[in-house]
Amino acid sequence: KQEVTQIPAALSVPEGENLVLNCSFTDSAIYNLQWFRQDPGKGLTSLLLIQSSQREQTSGRLNASLDKSSGRSTLYIAASQPGDSATYLCASRMDSSYKLIFGSGTRLLVRP
Amino acid sequence: KAGVTQTPRYLIKTRGQQVTLSCSPISGHRSVSWYQQTPGQGLQFLFEYFSETQRNKGNFPGRFSGRQFSNSRSEMNVSTLELGDSALYLCASSLQGEDEKLFFGSGTQLSVL
Repeated sequence: KQEVTQIPAALSVPEGENLVLNCSFTDSAIYNLQWFRQDPGKGLTSLLLIQSSQREQTSGRLNASLDKSSGRSTLYIAASQPGDSATYLCASRMDSSYKLIFGSGTRLLVRP
Repeated sequence: KAGVTQTPRYLIKTRGQQVTLSCSPISGHRSVSWYQQTPGQGLQFLFEYFSETQRNKGNFPGRFSGRQFSNSRSEMNVSTLELGDSALYLCASSLQGEDEKLFFGSGTQLSVL
């Protein structure tokens, strides 16, 4: 049974800092891994999706990596801004259905 | 292009009642999945529908059910509500394909009193 863990649970950094959010999973036979952002009381916004055959994906200031052998993914945020404050969730997809297994999220606060 | 639309945005019900939540996917998306989000359990998969057929189901009691219509719109129903059913219910849609992302609606916040 796949389990997804995110560390740390919360993170507070000053504006401009580069930061890394961690996601680990127990079953390496993933279909893909997706990173989401969630603002309070809102739905999830997809940030990056990494296929099982890929090592990383980039979008603007965001870079996500995937290492299936170690069961880890990281989300790198460069030059953080107060607008980046949100909860970041990673989720693994194990097969062709859309049953995603989510981590519990990292709550990020970027201080001005 | 309009996003995933969920109605209503907020609902207050009492124990024992039933509730129906609605989800309209992004135009052209045929897969609709539902998730429950609570502070204690996080995001948990409820079920997924594709072309009006339930393709996968999570570990929830039979009080939770859903369906999908020919226009891909989906509804989920919870009968005999319990206090523990209070949660944010999120719907997501996607095109079918390995590299297709999930797009989420803003959710329905259900409070059971």
